[in-house]
Amino acid sequence: KAGVTQTPRYLIKTRGQQVTLSCSPISGHRSVSWYQQTPGQGLQFLFEYFSETQRNKGNFPGRFSGRQFSNSRSEMNVSTLELGDSALYLCASSLNVGQETQYFGPGTRLLVL
Amino acid sequence: AQTVTQSQPEMSVQEAETVTLSCTYDTSESDYYLFWYKQPPSRQMILVIRQEAYKQQNATENRFSVNFQKAAKSFSLKISDSQLGDAAMYFCAYRSGHTGTASKLTFGTGTRLQVTL
Repeated sequence: KAGVTQTPRYLIKTRGQQVTLSCSPISGHRSVSWYQQTPGQGLQFLFEYFSETQRNKGNFPGRFSGRQFSNSRSEMNVSTLELGDSALYLCASSLNVGQETQYFGPGTRLLVL
Repeated sequence: AQTVTQSQPEMSVQEAETVTLSCTYDTSESDYYLFWYKQPPSRQMILVIRQEAYKQQNATENRFSVNFQKAAKSFSLKISDSQLGDAAMYFCAYRSGHTGTASKLTFGTGTRLQVTL
């Protein structure tokens, strides 16, 4: 079974632009979570989607948003990019919410210049 | 809010030896899950081991085992017969066990493990 896939793997943007990252979960998984990883703040939870609904959101500004499609694929969007948004964005999927283990994708490395 | 603390920023172990990585956590919940994830230089997070808080028996996965001390809120990872491929960043993570709640993981700051010949 294929793992979690994320596209693109690398991205360079400039301040003020917006970006969309994509995540395809493991087949059959319905929950998708997003995390931001930076050297300074470590791994921080962004949000989780299940059945096309956002179930929880971390402490990030409204510039960070996401959505989930009926096939469980998810996208996250960051508008008005800031230098501090440079990070590794990790997507994780699980069968359902609650007790299931999350499996991570390879991440998208975003560099904001 | 739950917190996870990894007090060892870096550890080193010789090949074939045993090393223990420490993790403590703080929670008021009684039902939760604990995980160790490994992040090699490729940056892909790989699940190493999982422990359910309601289980008294410590989880094991081949060369990896945990020492789960619920009362002390401690969750250490023991790697036996260390291999060069074990070199990575190791993250301890916590997740609430409340049914139906979000699957949010709370991570520690990580321990970088070096494996030497």
